[in-house]
Amino acid sequence: ETGVTQSPTHLIKTRGQQVTLRCSSQSGHNTVSWYQQALGQGPQFIFQYYREEENGRGNFPPRFSGLQFPNYSSELNVNALELDDSALYLCASRLAPANRETQYFGPGTRLLVL
Amino acid sequence: GIQVEQSPPDLILQEGANSTLRCNFSDSVNNLQWFHQNPWGQLINLFYIPSGTKQNGRLSATTVATERYSLLYISSSQTTDSGVYFCAVFYNQGGKLIFGQGTELSVKP
Repeated sequence: ETGVTQSPTHLIKTRGQQVTLRCSSQSGHNTVSWYQQALGQGPQFIFQYYREEENGRGNFPPRFSGLQFPNYSSELNVNALELDDSALYLCASRLAPANRETQYFGPGTRLLVL
Repeated sequence: GIQVEQSPPDLILQEGANSTLRCNFSDSVNNLQWFHQNPWGQLINLFYIPSGTKQNGRLSATTVATERYSLLYISSSQTTDSGVYFCAVFYNQGGKLIFGQGTELSVKP
């Protein structure tokens, strides 16, 4: 157990809908990152939040957005869902944004877009 | 950007065998992690090892940062070792962890 939790575990949506995924960081961790993992691939970085602000983003369109709350929990929002958005979405937390800090991953949310 | 390549892509072992997984990266890094992803998708931290050698039970890892590679050793493999092994390195800006494509390990009884 990493202490990072995610909800829901599974989700089915249809193309064009919007979805919100949630993540609760490990206690004391102020930095959270989100990753998308397509089937058979390694995780791809979506963005990172530190002190409630986005401070790093991968190659994902603006319809992928996020929030971090004062208690360091986080949300990933995806608008106008596309079939290719079907993937495992992973949240990771760490003690600080410094590169030397180990990231701890949650169990993920499996999203299927039909 | 930095490239991370893992080999082999797939590996099938008999229980009790040893194995070595390799991770090559194209630029200098100051953070490298090895993960095991179980069949349910959970990424489990194995090692944080930007340089040097570490051991944890039957697993050990060595990173030679100057030559831009890391090795993960699994000794006396067990069926519970099955899954996908990823190495990942930190890109210098924005907290971006770059993953390799993984090595899928299957340990047969």
